[in-house]
Amino acid sequence: EVQLVESGGGLVQPGRSLRLSCAASGFTFDDYAMHWVRQAPGKGLEWVSGISWNSGSIGYADSVKGRFTISRDNAKNSLYLQMNSLRAEDTALYYCAKDRLPRLRGAAGFDYWGQGTLVTVSS
Amino acid sequence: QSVLTQPPSASGTPGQRVTISCSGSSSNIGSNTVNWYQQLPGTAPKLLIYSNNQRPSGVPDRFSGSKSGTSASLAISGLQSEDEADYYCAAWDDSLNAVVFGGGTKLTVL
Repeated sequence: EVQLVESGGGLVQPGRSLRLSCAASGFTFDDYAMHWVRQAPGKGLEWVSGISWNSGSIGYADSVKGRFTISRDNAKNSLYLQMNSLRAEDTALYYCAKDRLPRLRGAAGFDYWGQGTLVTVSS
Repeated sequence: QSVLTQPPSASGTPGQRVTISCSGSSSNIGSNTVNWYQQLPGTAPKLLIYSNNQRPSGVPDRFSGSKSGTSASLAISGLQSEDEADYYCAAWDDSLNAVVFGGGTKLTVL
């Protein structure tokens, strides 16, 4: 059974940092691209970042470019999101999602999602 | 303001057929495949349609997708109460080098 379990969320002050993790199991992790998608309270889905199977291709939404860094450790079946210079508008539920294919470009569809970890940016 | 445009709401009665539209541009829907997601209240999104019109295993054939030019549609036939959810379209955007989502459509089963 495919499982994606996010962790690392919490309450953080504006300007501070937070690192999210996603532990994957039930599939061959290094065969697929992975993504972070967020959802602000009462709002729609927003893609945050994605990474190809071998970390050779990485992409970010303009809203987080230069502040967030995605990475993966295939040996540990884990996906990460380092979030720096956090702003109030980064407050959201952050989902880890598995792509159907290994590549980033084209993003073939996110076939499994975690339950999300809540990040609240507030003073 | 989302890159892909969806109607904010749609509705239908049980048994009816409803469609949800998704409008984009040449850099996203016009040159890449479209995926659709269903998000039931309080749950994580679920992949409903991929590659414009393909259903993942377990998705009922009441759900179908299509694409023409820079627009796509999701059709739900034989509407059921459990279909009441938010629906999102998504595609890769070649200009932004990013995945873009529609703003979502809230489907109400009357």
